[in-house]
Amino acid sequence: DAGITQSPRHKVTETGTPVTLRCHQTENHRYMYWYRQDPGHGLRLIHYSYGVKDTDKGEVSDGYSVSRSKTEDFLLTLESATSSQTSVYFCAISGGQGDGYTFGSGTRLTVV
Amino acid sequence: AQSVTQLGSHVSVSEGALVLLRCNYSSSVPPYLFWYVQYPNQGLQLLLKYTTGATLVKGINGFEAEFKKSETSFHLTKPSAHMSDAAEYFCAVRPVNQAGTALIFGKGTTLSVSS
Repeated sequence: DAGITQSPRHKVTETGTPVTLRCHQTENHRYMYWYRQDPGHGLRLIHYSYGVKDTDKGEVSDGYSVSRSKTEDFLLTLESATSSQTSVYFCAISGGQGDGYTFGSGTRLTVV
Repeated sequence: AQSVTQLGSHVSVSEGALVLLRCNYSSSVPPYLFWYVQYPNQGLQLLLKYTTGATLVKGINGFEAEFKKSETSFHLTKPSAHMSDAAEYFCAVRPVNQAGTALIFGKGTTLSVSS
């Protein structure tokens, strides 16, 4: 979507390897979020950020870490990928309060 | 904790028929309310939102939703379904006055439209 991009769009990786997904925004929004989407589970929050270097855990944060060193970039790292982390990952940004989210196009990650 | 319930994981309608997708939230204080649509292999797109003011909200693609406080509901409707409406729809809420709080999503409803 305009103003937010995710990379890579697709990735296949092996169990046990580290993986980093990138979310980049040009909207200068304060809030950024990482979700995973799985059939039957909808969207589940992994981590979110409310400013540079300010992050917090979501409901499914185990096995994931994040970093935000600049307003525009929010990185999601799988320290040691497992097959249970095969999923579609979405980044979202928000200006806060009554704003909804603007979503990225997603990253389809397969762990083999 | 707040939660969102979407009744019916799958709804099927005929082209030209009324679309009704149900969403209920649990909160003593009405939250901000959102509907998103996701087409296959794409990200989620905002359809409409309710924050304050008029309880009947109009969105893109002919969709609208009505906030009913007494029923804690925010159902999505469209008078006449089109084939292009086939997608997955998500209802979401955010507590008022908690600026950065993450949206809470329902599990989604897949809408199928037959000719």
